[in-house]
Amino acid sequence: EPEVTQTPSHQVTQMGQEVILRCVPISNHLYFYWYRQILGQKVEFLVSFYNNEISEKSEIFDDQFSVERPDGSNFTLKIRSTKLEDSAMYFCASSKTWADTQYFGPGTRLTVL
Amino acid sequence: KNEVEQSPQNLTAQEGEFITINCSYSVGISALHWLQQHPGGGIVSLFMLSSGKKKHGRLIATINIQEKHSSLHITASHPRDSAVYICAASDQTGANNLFFGTGTRLTVIP
Repeated sequence: EPEVTQTPSHQVTQMGQEVILRCVPISNHLYFYWYRQILGQKVEFLVSFYNNEISEKSEIFDDQFSVERPDGSNFTLKIRSTKLEDSAMYFCASSKTWADTQYFGPGTRLTVL
Repeated sequence: KNEVEQSPQNLTAQEGEFITINCSYSVGISALHWLQQHPGGGIVSLFMLSSGKKKHGRLIATINIQEKHSSLHITASHPRDSAVYICAASDQTGANNLFFGTGTRLTVIP
């Protein structure tokens, strides 16, 4: 069964460093999402992406964040200058259409020291 | 912004019990999602519904649009059902970004 994959599973970085989290959505899906979950808190929406552009973004998704689909398979989330409060689990998801079920990747745990 | 509330926050049940988890939301939605988060953190979509009722195996999800309320039921609960169950509301604008509840941690004891 097709699945969303994410790499790396765990990323440790120093405050101020740039990180890129990678996702490979399900191949025939057209809508892509990033969510984050700070430890012990609820999952929060960051951004949705369709047709090579951002559809929606939350207040969390400020100028430090960017997303890109650099080729036909990868979907990346970049954090330019990480802060301690960026430490969280980041989930990528994809769906065939905007109205369909979203399929989640296993997550990348980001630890900012 | 949609406020999504779940209850209870924690639930412990004996194997075989019938379980109900409740979810309410504050503004109109295009769909309500029920998700399961495993201890390792992975999230699996269980249901997406915009009206009525859906059933998959021992799981049943219902939604009442007028009352802005949804329930997830598990019949004949089993220890492998132990997980965090999360409801999330899809924005009515059609963007499908999800607003999540805080989750219900279910523990089923043998």
